[in-house]
Amino acid sequence: DVVMTQSPLSLPVTLGQPASISCRSSQSLVHSDGNTYLNWFQQRPGQSPRRLIYKVSNRDSGVPDRFSGSGSGTDFTLKISRVEAEDVGVYYCMQATHWPPFTFGPGTKVDIK
Amino acid sequence: EVQLVESGGGLVQPGGSLRLSCAASGFTFSSFSMNWVRQAPGKGLEWISYISMSGSIIYYADSVRGRFTISRDNAKSSLYLQMNSLSDEDTAVYYCMRDRRDWGQGTLVTVSS
Repeated sequence: DVVMTQSPLSLPVTLGQPASISCRSSQSLVHSDGNTYLNWFQQRPGQSPRRLIYKVSNRDSGVPDRFSGSGSGTDFTLKISRVEAEDVGVYYCMQATHWPPFTFGPGTKVDIK
Repeated sequence: EVQLVESGGGLVQPGGSLRLSCAASGFTFSSFSMNWVRQAPGKGLEWISYISMSGSIIYYADSVRGRFTISRDNAKSSLYLQMNSLSDEDTAVYYCMRDRRDWGQGTLVTVSS
């Protein structure tokens, strides 16, 4: 199974400042079809997860453009250009290249300093 | 608007059984694969089962294989999870997930004597 790791696991941020979360996979997430199936999900307190980014860098509909995804191979990053209060929550990366199983990272908890 | 509404959770004794349902609306249910994902209290996300659009392809995580059964009724736009031989390690919020994107609000399963 592909193991997903994230860092940091806790990220206190200042409102209006940037934030960055790293996600690494135990093997390359490049699929034989040429795509890289790496998603990012946001889970706000008390809510269900919501997908923000798919295939590394594609924002889902309605996701603010302050969120961006990048990376390749085994190293990926989610960036928030200017953190807002509504961004508090836990962020998970998930790989969908080598499945089953789909595997998630442990999550990164973002809160306000 | 895509809606996924889980139901059927509750308190069950170890060794018991429970059947979860996920009612889908706002999209053509038969055109999407579906998944069950769970989240133990205070923990991360764990994918547990996948079913293809027609129901002909099914996968399970090792942690539930042989105990849980996923199924779907495309005529009723519904997804199911039959859970048998439950243990306290199965205590979690169970989410249905459309493809690898949209999530329901979850239903809590508590296994305890």
